[in-house]
Amino acid sequence: DAGVIQSPRHEVTEMGQEVTLRCKPISGHNSLFWYRQTMMRGLELLIYFNNNVPIDDSGMPEDRFSAKMPNASFSTLKIQPSEPRDSAVYFCASAQGYIITDTQYFGPGTRLTVL
Amino acid sequence: DAKTTQPNSMESNEEEPVHLPCNHSTISGTDYIHWYRQLPSQGPEYVIHGLTSNVNNRMASLAIAEDRKSSTLILHRATLRDAAVYYCILRDVGRDSNYQLIWGAGTKLIIKP
Repeated sequence: DAGVIQSPRHEVTEMGQEVTLRCKPISGHNSLFWYRQTMMRGLELLIYFNNNVPIDDSGMPEDRFSAKMPNASFSTLKIQPSEPRDSAVYFCASAQGYIITDTQYFGPGTRLTVL
Repeated sequence: DAKTTQPNSMESNEEEPVHLPCNHSTISGTDYIHWYRQLPSQGPEYVIHGLTSNVNNRMASLAIAEDRKSSTLILHRATLRDAAVYYCILRDVGRDSNYQLIWGAGTKLIIKP
């Protein structure tokens, strides 16, 4: 299995531009998670999906952030407009289900820099 | 959410055992203890989890105190590739937010050759 795939791996953009991050979960996994990691705040859960349905988006920082999962094999996290404080590493993770012992498998991350 | 406390960093020599402590004095009866690690420039990866009994797998062992207020991740023979940040996380089986892993700052493990 290829694992969780994220693209792009690096993104540099200017303030005000739209940014779209992409994630392909492991085939057969029913849960998908978007995280953000910064030095100041560590790893934060932004949103998670179960069976393509958003379950909890309380971690999404503000309306500039949106996430979609149109099918079981693809998800996007969009920031519009982007700001310098959005600079971070964004991770996508997937899990087989949602029971307590399900392991989350993380992708390699997208390093976003907003100038 | 129950909180975990870990040392900021630890050092160990290569090919020696490493014991990474975690305190979780407010743990509830239904909280599972999970460990993940994050190697430099990579996403976190699962290491091990347990509830009450000690657990072993190919990566590590997890020793859980009898009162469950603390646990220790044991790497039996650390290599340079084990240098990472190790996160101790609690997950509650009984709440709506049980999907979530609540991440702390973790312990940065430094392996000396």
